[in-house]
Amino acid sequence: LAKTTQPISMDSYEGQEVNITCSHNNIATNDYITWYQQFPSQGPRFIIQGYKTKVTNEVASLFIPADRKSSTLSLPRVSLSDTAVYYCLVGDMNTGFQKLVFGTGTRLLVSP
Amino acid sequence: KAGVTQTPRYLIKTRGQQVTLSCSPISGHRSVSWYQQTPGQGLQFLFEYFSETQRNKGNFPGRFSGRQFSNSRSEMNVSTLELGDSALYLCASSWGETASYEQYFGPGTRLTVT
Repeated sequence: LAKTTQPISMDSYEGQEVNITCSHNNIATNDYITWYQQFPSQGPRFIIQGYKTKVTNEVASLFIPADRKSSTLSLPRVSLSDTAVYYCLVGDMNTGFQKLVFGTGTRLLVSP
Repeated sequence: KAGVTQTPRYLIKTRGQQVTLSCSPISGHRSVSWYQQTPGQGLQFLFEYFSETQRNKGNFPGRFSGRQFSNSRSEMNVSTLELGDSALYLCASSWGETASYEQYFGPGTRLTVT
C-alpha cells in the first residue's frame, strides 16, 4: 500500500478556497486516491475518489497530475463547518478488499 | 436509509475485563470493517468481514477478535483489556466486495479502560 504524506495542519478563513496536497510517490498502477473527512468524535466520511486527471462532485474537486505522485483536494468557499481532519488514502480499489490505510491527516481550521 | 449504528456509544471497563462491541451496517451492505482510533496511533485497521468471512486482518494481538452474522451485523471482542485499548472503535460498512465501494462509518464506540 502506498504511503501518503500530507501537511499536518492548515488554516483558512470562511469563503476562501482551500487546497490540500497529498504526496504518494510510490503509488501503484492499480491504486486509486480517496479522501475522507472526519469531525471530532465521529467516523470518517467519504468525500471524493479518483484515478487520474480531475474529479468533481458537489462538495469538492480532486486534481491528479499525469504522474499521479500527488493529488490535491480542493474545497471551494469553505465555511466554519468544514473544520475537520482530512485524510488522503491510496490503495488498490479493485482487489484490496475493504482495508483502508489512514495516514496522519490534515487538520483544517476555518476561522470567521 | 438508516446509517451504520454502533452500540454502545460509550463504555468504561477495567483492566483484565473483556468487552463486546456491536455494529449494524446499512441495510444491504455486506462488508463490515473495524478500525481503532487513538490520539497516538491514529486510525488503524482491525479486520474486515464479508459474507460472514474474515478476509483481512490488521496488526493487532489475538485479544482482538470479531465475527459477522448472516444478517451482516458484526461484533468485535477484546479480551483481557489493557489500558492501551482505550480508544474510539469505528465500524464501517460497504455494499461491495472491493475497496472501490465507498465505506460508510458509524459514530463509534468510545471505550475507556481504567
